[in-house]
Amino acid sequence: DTEVTQTPKHLVMGMTNKKSLKCEQHMGHRAMYWYKQKAKKPPELMFVYSYEKLSINESVPSRFSPECPNSSLLNLHLHALQPEDSALYLCASSQVSRQALNIQYFGAGTRLSVL
Amino acid sequence: DAKTTQPNSMESNEEEPVHLPCNHSTISGTDYIHWYRQLPSQGPEYVIHGLTSNVNNRMASLAIAEDRKSSTLILHRATLRDAAVYYCILRLSGTYKYIFGTGTRLKVLA
Repeated sequence: DTEVTQTPKHLVMGMTNKKSLKCEQHMGHRAMYWYKQKAKKPPELMFVYSYEKLSINESVPSRFSPECPNSSLLNLHLHALQPEDSALYLCASSQVSRQALNIQYFGAGTRLSVL
Repeated sequence: DAKTTQPNSMESNEEEPVHLPCNHSTISGTDYIHWYRQLPSQGPEYVIHGLTSNVNNRMASLAIAEDRKSSTLILHRATLRDAAVYYCILRLSGTYKYIFGTGTRLKVLA
């Protein structure tokens, strides 16, 4: 099973709402990632978790709050977002071993619209 | 900073080979070159990777220049299902970071 599952597939929220994106994998991967992808642009890295600890934060605004409650789950909590935050949010996972090539497996994404 | 450069778009006829180029002149000695593709309404999927030598797998071939400053993804017989955006990516040595290129949108003509 090489599947990364993201829910919901689509989300519409107002600027005062609080919502969460969820990502799940059962490949035993201990590194998990959040990316943001604007239309016709490549994905941009937001956060990396390694062994359930935050390893990389690419200077993401605090209105995005990641959480890794266990090795299979990754959440992204959203609060007070702006319309420019509308994008496709992608989750990925990979092995952590230095010998492994950290091939990342991506989910299909959550398409977020902020009104 | 590490960076890759790709043509915005390319076209190919079905059943013909396709060569997708990528320049990565700032690559470091231990950065891996990865290629992913993204089909409409999907996340990126792994295609192939390499370090110094040319690589083949069931999906494609990767030809890496001797100085590693460029590489070419080769699809041997393009099909309509290969229509996608192809990203040339540098995986930075010792990190989890992927540096994505801007991508090449491949159109396959029937």
